[in-house]
Formats: sequence, structure tokens, C-alpha cells
Amino acid sequence: EVQLVESGGGLVQPGRSLKLSCAASGFTFSNYYMAWVRQAPKKGLEWVATISTSGSRTYYPDSVKGRFTISRDNAKSSLYLQMNSLKSEDTATYYCARDNSDYWGQGVMVTVSS
Amino acid sequence: DIQMTQSPSSMSVSLGDTVTITCRASQDVGIYVNWFQQKPGKSPRRMIYRATNLADGVPSRFSGSRSGSDYSLTISSLESEDVADYHCLQYDEYPHTFGAGTKLELK
Repeated sequence: EVQLVESGGGLVQPGRSLKLSCAASGFTFSNYYMAWVRQAPKKGLEWVATISTSGSRTYYPDSVKGRFTISRDNAKSSLYLQMNSLKSEDTATYYCARDNSDYWGQGVMVTVSS
Repeated sequence: DIQMTQSPSSMSVSLGDTVTITCRASQDVGIYVNWFQQKPGKSPRRMIYRATNLADGVPSRFSGSRSGSDYSLTISSLESEDVADYHCLQYDEYPHTFGAGTKLELK
């Protein structure tokens, strides 16, 4: 059974950093592009980042480019999202997903507030 | 960036209705459109992939279609479990972009 389990969310002050993790199981992690998607409270979905199978290629929208870094450890079947210079508008539930969007984690809440 | 203009933003529906939700892409995205269902407090669930393909385990009353740059999700004979939010996604090019979502509510 495919499972994606996010962790690392919480309350953080504006300008600070936070790192999310996603533990994958039930499939060959190294064979899949992986992604992070977020959803602000009562809002729609926003794609945040994608990483290639080897980690050599990454993609971001302008809203997070230069502040967020997606990475992976294929040996540990783990995906990460390093979030720096956090803003109030980054407050959202963050989902880990396979990039073809067939499987999603349960999500982890990040609140950016002073 | 490619814009996905989704309509309507909300819809009041009755059980047994046929419901159609549409996303219009601002430029060509080919077949690379997925549709998701999301219930309150839950993760999105992929319902349709590559514009017209039914995802595993999805009831056959759901279907996807394409006409030019317009992509549609149709639910035939709406059931109570179908009342949810629906989102489209283009993944033809980066950045991937979602529609704004459609909320189905029972009359």
C-alpha cells in the first residue's frame, strides 16, 4: 500500500525557517518525480515544487522560488521541503504527492504568525 | 504561467442531477489535465487523469472530456457522496497550475 506521511509542520514566526519531511512507502520511491502542493485555509490548491527522480532537477512557481528548496533522499525514501524567509501568506496545509498526483499524503499544517 | 479558469465556483445541486464543471486553459496543455475531488479535512483524490481517463476505483458516473482548450468533468446521477470540492490541474508545463475550485452544495 502506498503511503506518504508528512511531518514537521507547526507555528513559526515570519522570516523564520521550517523544514517539512515526507516519508514514502509501498512503492519504489526513486522511480517517481515527487511534489509538494499547498492549500491555504478555505482556498484552492497551489503547486509548490517538484523534484526529478535523481534530484538533479527542481521546479518552483515564482511565489516560492528562491525561498523554498525541495530535496529528496532516495536511500531513505524521503522527500523534504526547506522553507526560508516565511511569510504570513505561506500559511497553509502542505501535501506531499507523487508528481502524477495519484497519491497524496494527509497533509501537515504550517502557520506563519507572530 | 498557464491559467486554468474554472467554472462555476460553486453550484447548488440535487441528488440525481448531471453536473458539469469546466476548466479553460489559457494556452495549449494537450491532454495533461487531471481532476480532483476533495472533501472537508481530507486530501485531494485524483478522479480523472490525462483529461479523459478514469482513475482506479472511481465510479463510472464520473467522466472527463476535452473540447479545444476547455476541459470538463461530468458527474452523472449525482450521489450524496459526490458532494465535495473539485479542482482541475494542468501539468503540461511548469509551473503546474490548478483551477480555483468548484464547491458542490446540496439544495
